[in-house]
Amino acid sequence: AQSVTQLGSHVSVSEGALVLLRCNYSSSVPPYLFWYVQYPNQGLQLLLKYTSAATLVKGINGFEAEFKKSETSFHLTKPSAHMSDAAEYFCAVSDARGAQKLVFGQGTRLTINP
Amino acid sequence: DTAVSQTPKYLVTQMGNDKSIKCEQNLGHDTMYWYKQDSKKFLKIMFSYNNKELIINETVPNRFSPKSPDKAHLNLHINSLELGDSAVYFCASSGASGGAVDTQYFGPGTRLTVL
Repeated sequence: AQSVTQLGSHVSVSEGALVLLRCNYSSSVPPYLFWYVQYPNQGLQLLLKYTSAATLVKGINGFEAEFKKSETSFHLTKPSAHMSDAAEYFCAVSDARGAQKLVFGQGTRLTINP
Repeated sequence: DTAVSQTPKYLVTQMGNDKSIKCEQNLGHDTMYWYKQDSKKFLKIMFSYNNKELIINETVPNRFSPKSPDKAHLNLHINSLELGDSAVYFCASSGASGGAVDTQYFGPGTRLTVL
């Protein structure tokens, strides 16, 4: 069975500071990994995904994530936070061998301080 | 143009009632999904349909019944609503078919409140 753990349910950074949101996964098969963002009262939007190509994945809005198999991690980073980055972020894993089913982490709320 | 749309956006109802949530996608995707997001923001898949065929059915009570009249629509009918059904329900779609991986596009969600 696959699972995702997001360390820190709430992360707060200053505007212009580095954003680091942590995600560790567990999977018995090679995983596909995703980061989604949810703005208040909206649906989820894909930020980026890892599908076994390059281990460093660049996404929208200046975000990127690095797949580290040895650490079973897929942490999300952004060099400089903007106020508009305030949202809920979800890491998810899927096993592409079967029917595509996303298993989500519990989410991390990102707050940006002016 | 909204890619994945859901109606209604808000739904408030009494315990014991039956209600439906509708979902439509205009992306030409083959696969559609229903997810439930609880009060703690935890998201979990409920169902998935591929070309009108049920392919994922998680441990969801029988009171929940998805229906896919065509591959652009996936509706969710809930019988005998309970307090614990209060949540935000998200519809999603993807171009994945079988084992392929594709981006899932989510609708705006339907906030269901059972009183």
